[in-house]
Amino acid sequence: AQSVTQLGSHVSVSEGALVLLRCNYSSSVPPYLFWYVQYPNQGLQLLLKYTTGATLVKGINGFEAEFKKSETSFHLTKPSAHMSDAAEYFCAVTLGDTGRRALTFGSGTRLQVQP
Amino acid sequence: GAGVSQSPSNKVTEKGKDVELRCDPISGHTALYWYRQSLGQGLEFLIYFQGNSAPDKSGLPSDRFSAERTGGSVSTLTIQRTQQEDSAVYLCASSPSPSGGAGQFFGPGTRLTVL
Repeated sequence: AQSVTQLGSHVSVSEGALVLLRCNYSSSVPPYLFWYVQYPNQGLQLLLKYTTGATLVKGINGFEAEFKKSETSFHLTKPSAHMSDAAEYFCAVTLGDTGRRALTFGSGTRLQVQP
Repeated sequence: GAGVSQSPSNKVTEKGKDVELRCDPISGHTALYWYRQSLGQGLEFLIYFQGNSAPDKSGLPSDRFSAERTGGSVSTLTIQRTQQEDSAVYLCASSPSPSGGAGQFFGPGTRLTVL
């Protein structure tokens, strides 16, 4: 079985400040990891993903995440927040070819960006 | 190219009525998923289709829920005898790879309200 924990249901940062959204996972086999963003009244948009290979992955809109197996973490970062980054962010895991292919989501983190 | 489309965007129904929700995946995507997003339960997996294989129905909450995928493309999620707890946003996603490693691409969702 797999699970995802996102620490902090709400995160507030100032425009231009570092964004750090935390995600820890539990998985019995090597996971595939994803970050999605959801703007109000819209569907989920894929920000970035890790499957295999390089553990630091870059995504859209300047976001990146690092897979740390020893810490079972996949935290999302962005060096400088923009007002347009305000949204809800979801971390998710699948087991890929080794098991369940449906996404298991964390509970989400709502990011507020203050001017 | 065109993304995942869902219809209707909003559906209001009375308790006890049946509803059908439609999903058109991205052309060529072999995998199709249905999820449900509600305030109390977050994002939950419902059902997964991959090619001609038997669907993974492990996420369906009751036998009132069913889904089919015709011709490996369009999918319909049917909820019979709707209950107020069925009120949620129903999200459809498709993926080009069976393992899901390419990520899942979501439609805008159907907001279902059961009165």
